[in-house]
Amino acid sequence: DIQMTQSPSSLSASVGDRVTITCRTSQTIGNYLNWYQQKPGKAPKLLIYAASSLQSGVPSRFSGSGSGTDFTLTISSLQPEDFATYYCQQSYSSPLFTFGQGTKLDIK
Amino acid sequence: HLVESGGGLVKPGGSLRLSCAASGFTFSKAWMSWVRQAPGKGLEWVGRIKGKSDGGTIDYAAPVKGRFTISRDDSKNTLYLQMNSLKSEDTAVYYCTTDGIWYVRDDAYYGMHVWGQGTTVTVSS
Repeated sequence: DIQMTQSPSSLSASVGDRVTITCRTSQTIGNYLNWYQQKPGKAPKLLIYAASSLQSGVPSRFSGSGSGTDFTLTISSLQPEDFATYYCQQSYSSPLFTFGQGTKLDIK
Repeated sequence: HLVESGGGLVKPGGSLRLSCAASGFTFSKAWMSWVRQAPGKGLEWVGRIKGKSDGGTIDYAAPVKGRFTISRDDSKNTLYLQMNSLKSEDTAVYYCTTDGIWYVRDDAYYGMHVWGQGTTVTVSS
């Protein structure tokens, strides 16, 4: 199984900050990496697929990069609505998808 | 639009069937997944069923294989998850999702596109 490791597990930041979350996989997955955002009590929402392609309707302050085993999600200027938990997911071994453990982003 | 139902409290070793009613898209062609989230924990993919025109293949995650069964009724636009031999570690919110397929330079990429609101399953004596 492909293991996913996100870092940090939690992060405090302020509105307007630039934030980067990292996801590392236990084996190379090309760019078969998705990012999701989940707010408390809500279902997750897809932000980015194929490591760097922005899902329709997602603000351009979100961006993704990376390939192989190391990936990043960057929020260029945090907005109040961005405080949430973020998950990476590999689709390389589809349908045996695996998720990272999540990164909780809260207000400093 | 996806709406799950059927969650509840069940004793260890018991069974439960979840339903997911779909609307607003061509359900019969959709690949559908179940994803769960234990209390305070991360997301875990449970299983997927392809559309019948793509063979209707069903795949399961190792922790539920042999205990859970995914099925669909295209005439009712409904996805099901039959859960047997339930364990305490199956306690979670269960989401149904549509599997999206995106193409980037002729390569296909998969992910969970539309999500339901989730239904809660609690396994406890």
